[in-house]
Amino acid sequence: AQSVTQLDSHVSVSEGTPVLLRCNYSSSYSPSLFWYVQHPNKGLQLLLKYTSAATLVKGINGFEAEFKKSETSFHLTKPSAHMSDAAEYFCAALRSSARQLTFGSGTQLTVLP
Amino acid sequence: DAMVIQNPRYQVTQFGKPVTLSCSQTLNHNVMYWYQQKSSQAPKLLFHYYDKDFNNEADTPDNFQSRRPNTSFCFLDIRSPGLGDAAMYLCATRGTSANNEQFFGPGTRLTVL
Repeated sequence: AQSVTQLDSHVSVSEGTPVLLRCNYSSSYSPSLFWYVQHPNKGLQLLLKYTSAATLVKGINGFEAEFKKSETSFHLTKPSAHMSDAAEYFCAALRSSARQLTFGSGTQLTVLP
Repeated sequence: DAMVIQNPRYQVTQFGKPVTLSCSQTLNHNVMYWYQQKSSQAPKLLFHYYDKDFNNEADTPDNFQSRRPNTSFCFLDIRSPGLGDAAMYLCATRGTSANNEQFFGPGTRLTVL
């Protein structure tokens, strides 16, 4: 069975400072990994995905994530937070033979002025 | 633009009064999903269709039904909504290529009075 753990339920940063949202996965194989963002009362929007190509993945809005197999991690980073980045972020894993995503519990990002 | 559309965006119903939520897609994806998302929680998969093949999650209540009359449309029927069914309902689609991400609609916010 696979699981996804988001280590922080809430993260607060000041505008212009770096963002780090942590995600670990547990699996006996290397799944495809995704980061989604959700603004209030909106659906989930894909930020980026890892599919066993480059381990450093660049996404939209300046976000990137690095797949580290040795640490079973897929942390999301951004060099400089913007007020518009305030949202809920979900890490998710997809087993290639399955059709379902396994979601983490989410991290609420607050950006302070 | 190709997209996933959900109607209505906000739905209010009364306790026990049946309600139907709708989802349509222009992506021509084979797989369609319905998720329930309660406040500050990750989306929870209710069921999915692979073409017309219906797959129910083991813990999805019998109160929830779904129909997929064609590739483009999928409906979620809640036969007798309870107060605990108030949530955001998200529809998503996915193509059948390996590692394809899920595309989410904007969601329908259901209120049960």
